[in-house]
Amino acid sequence: SQQGEEDPQALSIQEGENATMNCSYKTSINNLQWYRQNSGRGLVHLILIRSNEREKHSGRLRVTLDTSKKSSSLLITASRAADTASYFCATDTLNRDDKIIFGKGTRLHILP
Amino acid sequence: DTAVSQTPKYLVTQMGNDKSIKCEQNLGHDTMYWYKQDSKKFLKIMFSYNNKELIINETVPNRFSPKSPDKAHLNLHINSLELGDSAVYFCASSRLSEAFFGQGTRLTVV
Repeated sequence: SQQGEEDPQALSIQEGENATMNCSYKTSINNLQWYRQNSGRGLVHLILIRSNEREKHSGRLRVTLDTSKKSSSLLITASRAADTASYFCATDTLNRDDKIIFGKGTRLHILP
Repeated sequence: DTAVSQTPKYLVTQMGNDKSIKCEQNLGHDTMYWYKQDSKKFLKIMFSYNNKELIINETVPNRFSPKSPDKAHLNLHINSLELGDSAVYFCASSRLSEAFFGQGTRLTVV
């Protein structure tokens, strides 16, 4: 079963610009997380936002969560070439069934 | 120190063979997972184990059999490999929601 759906599927921006990726999910969640995957590598955890939080910051990352719309956004400010990667949102549900479900991901390409 | 390590990194094998992928985590986590990532990069959960017990089996063919000898290890055995099994398989572990991933095993069935 798939919970999250990222939008857009692919995004190309100039270095220095901000990148915004969105995620929508279907069922009530406990937490929502964002991960990055560089080509040929495993996923790396970026940030976690709890269902009772609305916004969270970590360095150049800003995550928002709107539980009424079942959606989240990830903003990367002042993008760098090293930000080129795929970004996934992931959710775990309120029933705590030890299941972390990932969306399809957004492929972000930073142009020099 | 690698937190979640899986071996091998690459696996090329013929249809019909049986193969295993090993996973070990040194983070002391209770929960471990196997995910399959297909060519479109869709990451799908296969199994979840908590303290060596199977919690989730997401409609995976019974040719796939996970085994957890202890809570630090979760191995994946695949019988009678098919072409459609070609993918990257990721092991992960978690505690309190954040998941830590291995580097993946790229399985190619020919």
